[in-house]
Amino acid sequence: EDQVTQSPEALRLQEGESSSLNCSYTVSGLRGLFWYRQDPGKGPEFLFTLYSAGEEKEKERLKATLTKKESFLHITAPKPEDSATYLCAVQAIGSSNTGKLIFGQGTTLQVKP
Amino acid sequence: DAGVTQSPTHLIKTRGQQVTLRCSPKSGHDTVSWYQQALGQGPQFIFQYYEEEERQRGNFPDRFSGHQFPNYSSELNVNALLLGDSALYLCASSRGTAYSNQPQHFGDGTRLSIL
Repeated sequence: EDQVTQSPEALRLQEGESSSLNCSYTVSGLRGLFWYRQDPGKGPEFLFTLYSAGEEKEKERLKATLTKKESFLHITAPKPEDSATYLCAVQAIGSSNTGKLIFGQGTTLQVKP
Repeated sequence: DAGVTQSPTHLIKTRGQQVTLRCSPKSGHDTVSWYQQALGQGPQFIFQYYEEEERQRGNFPDRFSGHQFPNYSSELNVNALLLGDSALYLCASSRGTAYSNQPQHFGDGTRLSIL
């Protein structure tokens, strides 16, 4: 069964303290892995798409990487405005999978000044 | 460029009632997916619409139904509401065929509370 697990569930950092969020996945075949940011009371905001192992994407203080079994979201020198829940989702290959996203439970990041 | 818009923002219903949620996709998008997000959890896929047809369905009962209109907007209907249906309902749109791996863009959701 296709599955996504994120760790840790919650992470507290001091401003400027770099860290990484993990997303482990098991799928029959990966069509794409997606990272989203979700603020309280809002919908998920798209950050990155990764399609193949070895691929990396960067945006400001965020960098996403992908291996055959997991993805990491690296946060360099975070600021309080980076506080949010980060969601990882995968899209699996298969005739019955027309594009549904399978989400992990998310990592809630709090960055203190 | 308007993003995905959903209405209403909040809704309170009682058990046994029926509800209709609405979604307008981002400009240029033709595929709409619906998700249910319980508090503290990741979104769960309900179903996806493309070319006015339901192309895939998640593990949700037949009480959950939907529709896509020629202008690509969509509705989610839930009948015989249960307390467990209380959640944030998210609509996401994307471009391309139903087999596309293009990113899905989400609206801010409808918060449904069942009393």
